[in-house]
Amino acid sequence: EDKVVQSPLSLVVHEGDTVTLNCSYEVTNFRSLLWYKQEKKAPTFLFMLTSSGIEKKSGRLSSILDKKELFSILNITATQTGDSAVYLCASEPHRGSTLGRLYFGRGTQLTVWP
Amino acid sequence: ETGVTQSPTHLIKTRGQQVTLRCSSQSGHNTVSWYQQALGQGPQFIFQYYREEENGRGNFPPRFSGLQFPNYSSELNVNALELDDSALYLCASSTLERGYNEQFFGPGTRLTVL
Repeated sequence: EDKVVQSPLSLVVHEGDTVTLNCSYEVTNFRSLLWYKQEKKAPTFLFMLTSSGIEKKSGRLSSILDKKELFSILNITATQTGDSAVYLCASEPHRGSTLGRLYFGRGTQLTVWP
Repeated sequence: ETGVTQSPTHLIKTRGQQVTLRCSSQSGHNTVSWYQQALGQGPQFIFQYYREEENGRGNFPPRFSGLQFPNYSSELNVNALELDDSALYLCASSTLERGYNEQFFGPGTRLTVL
């Protein structure tokens, strides 16, 4: 069965710390891996990764995918209180198998203390 | 903001009742996916609509049904509500015809079944 596992489930840090969130996946006919930030309700799109080893970066956030070992990490440097949220990882199987369905992990609850 | 809207924002129903949730997709998108997110869990795929046809379904019973309209907005209907249906219902819009399936989420409808 296709599944996505995130770790840790929760993390508490202080402002300025660097954090690494982990996501491992087992998905038939893998196509892409996506990261979302969920603060109150709507998950907000962060990154989509399709090629192994390529780092996607946006400000203090970056992510990398390892298609051989079937995992991805999301790094946040110099954390701020506004980074407090649930970070969701999702994998997408290749279109034609389950047609754009995303498989989500349970998320990592990140709390950043001032 | 993604441009995906959902209504209502909150809803309280009792067991056995029926509910209809609505979603307006982002301009230019022709695909709507519905997800159920229970407390502390990642979103679970319910089904997807593409050009007014159901285009894939997750592990949800037939009392979960949907529609997509010519303007690509969508409805999720749930009959014979059960307590376990209490969750945040998210819709996500995308366009399957573009290379990769970046899904943009609406703010969700919080359904409570008493």
